[in-house]
Amino acid sequence: HVQLVQSGAEVKRPGASVKVSCEASGYTFTGYYMHWVRQAPGQGLEWMGWINPNSGGTNYAQKFQGRVTMTRDTSINTAYMELTSLTSDDTAVYYCARDSKPLGFGELMEGGLDVWGQGTTVTVSS
Amino acid sequence: EIVMTQSPATLSVSPGERATLSCRASQSVSSNLAWYQQRPGQAPRLLIYGASTRATGIPARFSGSGSGTEFTLTISSLQSEDFAVYYCQQYSNWPPLTFGGGTKVEIK
Repeated sequence: HVQLVQSGAEVKRPGASVKVSCEASGYTFTGYYMHWVRQAPGQGLEWMGWINPNSGGTNYAQKFQGRVTMTRDTSINTAYMELTSLTSDDTAVYYCARDSKPLGFGELMEGGLDVWGQGTTVTVSS
Repeated sequence: EIVMTQSPATLSVSPGERATLSCRASQSVSSNLAWYQQRPGQAPRLLIYGASTRATGIPARFSGSGSGTEFTLTISSLQSEDFAVYYCQQYSNWPPLTFGGGTKVEIK
């Protein structure tokens, strides 16, 4: 059974950092890109970037450049998203989502984001 | 950045009726468009990719159409579990991937 399980909710002070984990199971972790998407309360979906779990290569949305770092640990099939210099605007649910296309078998996103984590709520408050 | 606009923001439909949701792109995205369903308190779920291809396990009552800048998601006969928010997403010219603002389908 393919699934992504994310770490638990976080409460952070403004200016702090948060690191969210996403553990993959049921498929070859290094065979599929992983994206991160966030959703502010009552709002829509916002793409943050992706990581290639095989190479560690990343591509971040310009909005988050300099504040976001996506990494992975292939020994435990886990991807991470760290966001620094948090403000109240970063209060959101953060999702990891698998790109449906296996590495080397077509263009990224050709089949959408087919598996999602359950989401991690990050609250930034003083 | 390609801007995706969904309409209407809210659609009130009776169970068993047909629902038609629209998504417009600020420039052509060809057929590089996906639709997602999000039920309250849940993660999004992939419904459609390539503008018209149903994802694995998605019922046939969901269908997608369109290309270029105009797209439609049709739910032929609404079931209770279909009342949710629906998002379109383009992956033609990215990064960034961009989503529409969503259409909430509610019970009439």
